[in-house]
Order: sequence, then structure tokens, then C-alpha cells
Amino acid sequence: KNQVEQSPQSLIILEGKNCTLQCNYTVSPFSNLRWYKQDTGRGPVSLTIMTFSENTKSNGRYTATLDADTKQSSLHITASQLSDSASYICVVSPGSNYQLIWGAGTKLIIKP
Amino acid sequence: EPEVTQTPSHQVTQMGQEVILRCVPISNHLYFYWYRQILGQKVEFLVSFYNNEISEKSEIFDDQFSVERPDGSNFTLKIRSTKLEDSAMYFCASRADRLIDNSPLHFGNGTRLTVT
Repeated sequence: KNQVEQSPQSLIILEGKNCTLQCNYTVSPFSNLRWYKQDTGRGPVSLTIMTFSENTKSNGRYTATLDADTKQSSLHITASQLSDSASYICVVSPGSNYQLIWGAGTKLIIKP
Repeated sequence: EPEVTQTPSHQVTQMGQEVILRCVPISNHLYFYWYRQILGQKVEFLVSFYNNEISEKSEIFDDQFSVERPDGSNFTLKIRSTKLEDSAMYFCASRADRLIDNSPLHFGNGTRLTVT
């Protein structure tokens, strides 16, 4: 069964600190892996999209990694800011003829 | 930057009533989607729409649901007879090119539907 599992479920860190969120997936076939940021009460916003051949991709202070062999991805946030408080959702696409497989998200809280 | 807009932001309705949720996708996008997210749960796919017809729908999208693109800009989701369990955030999304699978989905900020 296609699944995307994220850990931790929630995380609290102090402003300015770094953190890493994890995503494991069992999805086949595999086309790409996406990370979305979802602020409370808002729609998801795309952070990165990585295909099979990409190991790392950055978007400002966000860096995503992908290990297609172990089917793991991580999202690293550097020098966290209060505005980083949100849910971060890992989503895997099996291909254009399939629907996206969504993770449950990691709720990140940044404290001053 | 162009964005997907949804109205209303919050809709309260009584069980059994019909509701219509409205979306204006990004103007040059061709593929449109409705998702829902029950409070505290995962985002769930409802339906995709292309070329004025449904491309795919999930098990959630039963006969109570319908979608329409009544003109060149709006994309609507209708729930004919709402149930308590329809209470959720409903997100509209659009995409420029579905065949380029790594093209991003752009989401609106959702309509919070509360069925009482």
C-alpha cells in the first residue's frame, strides 16, 4: 500500500535554531517528492519538488534531501524564524497518471 | 504572483442544505482540483477536472458532490445535501501542466465548511 510517514509528529524549537524533519515513503512507482508548508488555516504552499535523480534541493533556508534507495527524505530548516511555525507536509507523486500520496505532516512551533 | 482564490472563507450551513464552494484558479492553468482536510487530518483528494470534465475522483466524491466550470474563470464544488461529516477545509488547486509531473500544484487558502 502506498504510504508516506512523517516524523516527528510535532516539534518545538527556539528561534534561531536549526531542525530536520523526516519523511519515509513506500510508494511505487515513484516520480517525485514534494515538501509543502501549511500555515494554520491556509492552503499548502510548495517548498521543493525533487525527482528521482535529485539528492538535494534548496529554497532559501529550506533544504530538502532525497535518498531514493532507502526511500527517505528530510527537510532541514536553518536559522529558524517565528514565521516558520507551520505544518510541513511530505507528498509523493507516483506519476502524472496517479494522485499524490500525502503525509500527515509535522507541526513545527518556533518559540522566541 | 498569481494566486488561486476561494470564496467564501468560511461557510456555516445546516445539515441537509446545499452548498456551493467557489474557486478562481490561476488564469493560464488547465488542471483543477478539489481537496479536503478534516481538522487535524491529512489532505484528501476529491476530484480533478480538465477540459470541462472530471478526470478522476476519489471514493469520497460520491453522488452528493459535483463540480462545474460555469464560465472561463470560476470552478465550483457543490455538495447537494450536507452531512455533519462534510465539515472540513476544502481546498481548490490548479496546475499549469499535469503531464509535466513535477509542475507544482497551487492551492487556494480554502473554505472552512461547518455543518451543524
